[in-house]
Amino acid sequence: KAGVTQTPRYLIKTRGQQVTLSCSPISGHRSVSWYQQTPGQGLQFLFEYFSETQRNKGNFPGRFSGRQFSNSRSEMNVSTLELGDSALYLCASSFGSAETQYFGPGTRLLVL
Amino acid sequence: DQQVKQNSPSLSVQEGRISILNCDYTNSMFDYFLWYKKYPAEGPTFLISISSIKDKNEDGRFTVFLNKSAKHLSLHIVPSQPGDSAVYFCAASFSTQGGSEKLVFGKGTKLTVNP
Repeated sequence: KAGVTQTPRYLIKTRGQQVTLSCSPISGHRSVSWYQQTPGQGLQFLFEYFSETQRNKGNFPGRFSGRQFSNSRSEMNVSTLELGDSALYLCASSFGSAETQYFGPGTRLLVL
Repeated sequence: DQQVKQNSPSLSVQEGRISILNCDYTNSMFDYFLWYKKYPAEGPTFLISISSIKDKNEDGRFTVFLNKSAKHLSLHIVPSQPGDSAVYFCAASFSTQGGSEKLVFGKGTKLTVNP
């Protein structure tokens, strides 16, 4: 069974630009969560999607948004990028809820 | 507000000895606790979990202990091996009003096992 895949793996953008990251969950998993990992801050929850609906949301500004498609694939978008958005963005999928999430390798975003 | 705290950013132990990673939490609504391990350039991988109704769960070299009165859990690795060197994240989940569960992570502890 294929694991969670994320594309692209690395990305360099400049301030003010916008970016879209993609996540394909494990087949059969309907829940997709997104996290931001920065040095010293651990994993901070962005949002969770389940059956195309945003079910939970973390404390991030509105510049961070996401969506989920009918095949459970998910995208997250960050608009008007800031230097502080440089981070590893992780996607995790699970069968139903947060019981055991399986993480992708992440997308490392660098904002210059 | 850090609901899940891992107060030790790093830990170094000798191969063959015990590694003890600690985690404290503040939210009494957490009902499930998990440990994830993360190698550089990879996503976190699930290691072991424990329900709030238990106080111990063991899986091979890994044991998680939960002390609900102290709101504290710990991960014991015995014996430690160099391949265990990684960042370990403690996580806790609770049910939201909508019926889903939300996962909250600590900041992680970097474990180094020296040969």
